[in-house]
Formats: sequence, structure tokens, C-alpha cells
Amino acid sequence: SQQGEEDPQALSIQEGENATMNCSYKTSINNLQWYRQNSGRGLVHLILIRSNEREKHSGRLRVTLDTSKKSSSLLITASRAADTASYFCAPAGGTSYGKLTFGQGTILTVHP
Amino acid sequence: DTGVSQDPRHKITKRGQNVTFRCDPISEHNRLYWYRQTLGQGPEFLTYFQNEAQLEKSRLLSDRFSAERPKGSFSTLEIQRTEQGDSAMYLCASSLTKGAGETQYFGPGTRLLVL
Repeated sequence: SQQGEEDPQALSIQEGENATMNCSYKTSINNLQWYRQNSGRGLVHLILIRSNEREKHSGRLRVTLDTSKKSSSLLITASRAADTASYFCAPAGGTSYGKLTFGQGTILTVHP
Repeated sequence: DTGVSQDPRHKITKRGQNVTFRCDPISEHNRLYWYRQTLGQGPEFLTYFQNEAQLEKSRLLSDRFSAERPKGSFSTLEIQRTEQGDSAMYLCASSLTKGAGETQYFGPGTRLLVL
């Protein structure tokens, strides 16, 4: 399955701290995407990392990808209360080129 | 507004009724996806279109669900004879095919409650 499994299921930190979320998957991929979802809203695309990339940055976000371990991590630095949301990873590629398969996500709570 | 839009945002219906949701993708996006999300879970793939062709449909999708994208632009998702288990958030997303590495842009969702 290309489904990503996020870990931990929930993370609670103080504003200003860093938050790290992990994602594992089981099959080969072409890329892996991270999305954020605020409570009751649609998903917002954060970052896409291709299978031939090892690290990618976007603002306060840093994503790493280790295809040998079939894992990825999302680091949010200097977190803010507004970062409170659910975060999902979505491995993509293989036989289902467009379809994204999501896990249960990591619920991040940032306390002011 | 250049984002994905969905209508209605909320729908309450009685069991057994039919409902139809609409999704307007980002202009010129050739792929359109439907997902369903229940509380505490990630979105679950339902079906997707490339232009007007429905290319994949989840095995979990019962015959009561049907989706169309008649002119390769907007799409509709119809649920016939709704059941309480259909209560969920229905999400639409669109993308522009780029081979490996297309980003899907999601709409705000339609929240369905079946009484």
C-alpha cells in the first residue's frame, strides 16, 4: 500500500518550540507530499519532495526523505499557535499516479 | 477566486434521500478528485477524472455513489438513498498533470449529515 502512516498521532508543544512529525510508507514512490488541515476545513498543500531529493525547505518547514528506510519527516521550526492543525503525509506514484492515500495524520497542538 | 470551490458547504438530509454535491476545480486543471473524510481519519479516495473521463473508482464506493464531469470542468457527486454511514466530509481536489509530482489543491469540503 502507498498509504502513509504518521507518527506520533498527537503532539503538544509550546509556542517557539520545534515540532517533528514522521511518516512511513511501504512501497516505492515518485514523490511524497505533506498537507495541513485546520479543524473542519479542507487540506492545504505544504510541500512536495521527489524521490530523488533528500531534503527540502519552505519557510519554517523542513522535509526530509529517506527512500531506503521508506520514511519522511516534517520539521516545523519556531512553531506558532496558528500551526495547530492535523498534518498528513501522502506518498504518491507507482501504479496509482494521481491518487493520494492518507493515514490518520498527526494532530499538532501549539500552546501560546 | 482561483481556488477549488465546493457547493454546498453543509448538507443535512434524511436517510433515504438523494443528495448532489458540486465541485468547481481550478481553471485548466485537467484532473479532479473526490475524497471522503470521517472524523479522526485522513481523507479516503473515492474517484478521479482526467478531463471528462473517470479513470479510477474506489472499490469501497458503492453503487449508490456516482460522479460525473461532463465537460471536463466542474464535477458532481451524487449519493442515492443516503444512509447514516454516509455522514462525512466530502472533499474535492484538482491538479494539473505533470507526470511525477503533481500537487493536488483541495476545496473547503461539503459536510454531509444524514439523519
